[in-house]
Amino acid sequence: KNEVEQSPQNLTAQEGEFITINCSYSVGISALHWLQQHPGGGIVSLFMLSSGKKKHGRLIATINIQEKHSSLHITASHPRDSAVYICAVTQGAQKLVFGQGTRLTINP
Amino acid sequence: DAGVIQSPRHEVTEMGQEVTLRCKPISGHDYLFWYRQTMMRGLELLIYFNNNVPIDDSGMPEDRFSAKMPNASFSTLKIQPSEPRDSAVYFCASSRLAGGAYNEQFFGPGTRLTVL
Repeated sequence: KNEVEQSPQNLTAQEGEFITINCSYSVGISALHWLQQHPGGGIVSLFMLSSGKKKHGRLIATINIQEKHSSLHITASHPRDSAVYICAVTQGAQKLVFGQGTRLTINP
Repeated sequence: DAGVIQSPRHEVTEMGQEVTLRCKPISGHDYLFWYRQTMMRGLELLIYFNNNVPIDDSGMPEDRFSAKMPNASFSTLKIQPSEPRDSAVYFCASSRLAGGAYNEQFFGPGTRLTVL
């Protein structure tokens, strides 16, 4: 069993829909990261959080430390949100352990 | 700042050849990471440095892989000899520790390596 599990693996939705991607982890962490990888391959850090909730534009990330679970929400989704979203956790100092990613496709 | 810089962006080589990947971290960042991404295994940490010193190399697949960071602005990942199973995208990332708190990692554009 992977230490970081994401669901769903693939998600297709219509423009405007509310999107939720889930991440569960089984190890102790110091922080959780949400990353975005566009079709061109570049990876961008969206959020780093260790408690509560963070919001950036239409993106919201939450984490429940007790349940070892995090969610990434996208409101009013747009085709440009189509990408692979990767959950990763920091163990110890700065070592990142990654989930397998969720491929999101938003159709116009 | 230009962000994390990697070179080359693409590398095609033949099995048995030596491959050197290069990375320039963001100025002022004291952590540097090398990752590998494949379809089968996703993203994996290979090694990371703090203040130019290797901290954790447990992800380095085998002795064919080596990494160095001779100074704060340059790191290399070398594969010798290369094998077809080394084909992957290799990412370099950097971050800094500020105020006792860890910060997000900034990724380079990656090097797509193909070993024939």
